[in-house]
Amino acid sequence: QVQLKQWGAGVLKPAETLSLTCAVYGGSFSDYYWSWIRQSPGKGLEWIGQINHSGSIDYKPSLESRLTMSVDTSKNQFSLKLSSVTAADTAVYFCARGQDGLLSYFDYWGQGTLVAVSS
Amino acid sequence: EIVLTQSPGTLSLSPGERAPLSCRASQTISSRFLAWYQQKPGQAPRLLIYGASSRAAGVPDRFSGSGSGTDFALTISRLEPEDFAVYYCQQYGSSPTFGQGTKVEI
Repeated sequence: QVQLKQWGAGVLKPAETLSLTCAVYGGSFSDYYWSWIRQSPGKGLEWIGQINHSGSIDYKPSLESRLTMSVDTSKNQFSLKLSSVTAADTAVYFCARGQDGLLSYFDYWGQGTLVAVSS
Repeated sequence: EIVLTQSPGTLSLSPGERAPLSCRASQTISSRFLAWYQQKPGQAPRLLIYGASSRAAGVPDRFSGSGSGTDFALTISRLEPEDFAVYYCQQYGSSPTFGQGTKVEI
């Protein structure tokens, strides 16, 4: 059974860097794409970006300048860093498994991490 | 970016009733690359439908998806108590985007 478990800091101050990691248990790590998706009351569900096992990355263009994604295939983990956060980045962040690059629906999701940005 | 508009915003129904949900795209979605998710409070979205009409593993057959081009629908044939939730559509014909959701409430 596939499980995604995520963790990271939940409270940040403006201008700090958000950092989250997602570990994948069960199933193949190399056959899929691994995404970050966030959900806020104002913007709903928003795809942020994705990475695969070889480090191929796609970022949402409007966030690209602040985003860094990485992968550790030895641990079946992938990570997200979002720099210079503001209150607008306050959201629940999910990691999720995608099927085929940008042409992906998401069949397994992490439990979500609430990230609050406040001074 | 393809914008998805879901309607209605809220659907007030009773158990046993049929629930018709709509998702309209701002441009044609190629190859029926549309998915539907169910989300309950405090939980991650759960995949219900992909490819516009294919049910994900373990999804009851009272959930059905249809449509093509710019107009898609999710129908719950007879609502069960556990079906009261928020439903989202998502397109993946290009960089993924989601609709704003339809809440199905009692």
